[in-house]
Amino acid sequence: ETGVTQTPRHLVMGMTNKKSLKCEQHLGHNAMYWYKQSAKKPLELMFVYNFKEQTENNSVPSRFSPECPNSSHLFLHLHTLQPEDSALYLCASSQVGQGNGYTFGSGTRLTVV
Amino acid sequence: EDQVTQSPEALRLQEGESSSLNCSYTVSGLRGLFWYRQDPGKGPEFLFTLYSAGEEKEKERLKATLTKKESFLHITAPKPEDSATYLCAVLMEYGNKLVFGAGTILRVKS
Repeated sequence: ETGVTQTPRHLVMGMTNKKSLKCEQHLGHNAMYWYKQSAKKPLELMFVYNFKEQTENNSVPSRFSPECPNSSHLFLHLHTLQPEDSALYLCASSQVGQGNGYTFGSGTRLTVV
Repeated sequence: EDQVTQSPEALRLQEGESSSLNCSYTVSGLRGLFWYRQDPGKGPEFLFTLYSAGEEKEKERLKATLTKKESFLHITAPKPEDSATYLCAVLMEYGNKLVFGAGTILRVKS
């Protein structure tokens, strides 16, 4: 495996379900990110983890709960979501301090019914 | 407020018809400007990084340029396979935050 891997690729869940998105990076980076991408809107930064510590939470509702057990893995736990939460959820990683951009995974297409 | 604006929102070109995409930014400090390509249902794919005004980067039919206020992505003699959404992003000087524009949807018809 190379780069950033996200699973599952597609997820349909009811508003009362609990599910988790998984992200794994194989690049040796020390920072990981969750972004939300909705139609015709810029990518929205949700959470930032530097060296496994959460350093940013951009006013994300508590029904989204991130977890970063180590510098290679990142999870997004979902519960009691709303239909407007349907979007493409992208994970990315980077090496802090090198001024490089992020490497993105292929995303999870989430549909809340 | 830090902001990245891309124009046009959508662009339709005939194969071989050259054009440019614009990315303008108002940020408190710039460490770098990035161009990404995104195909439907996939994550953004890195194209270029520009760090200072006057810098230019090229890759096949694409050329990116940077001034103090904006960046251009020039597409020369595009082909249908260049159809995608092109995203511009700014890496802030402080912190490690990448702020994106809304993107330009490019369609190239043969």
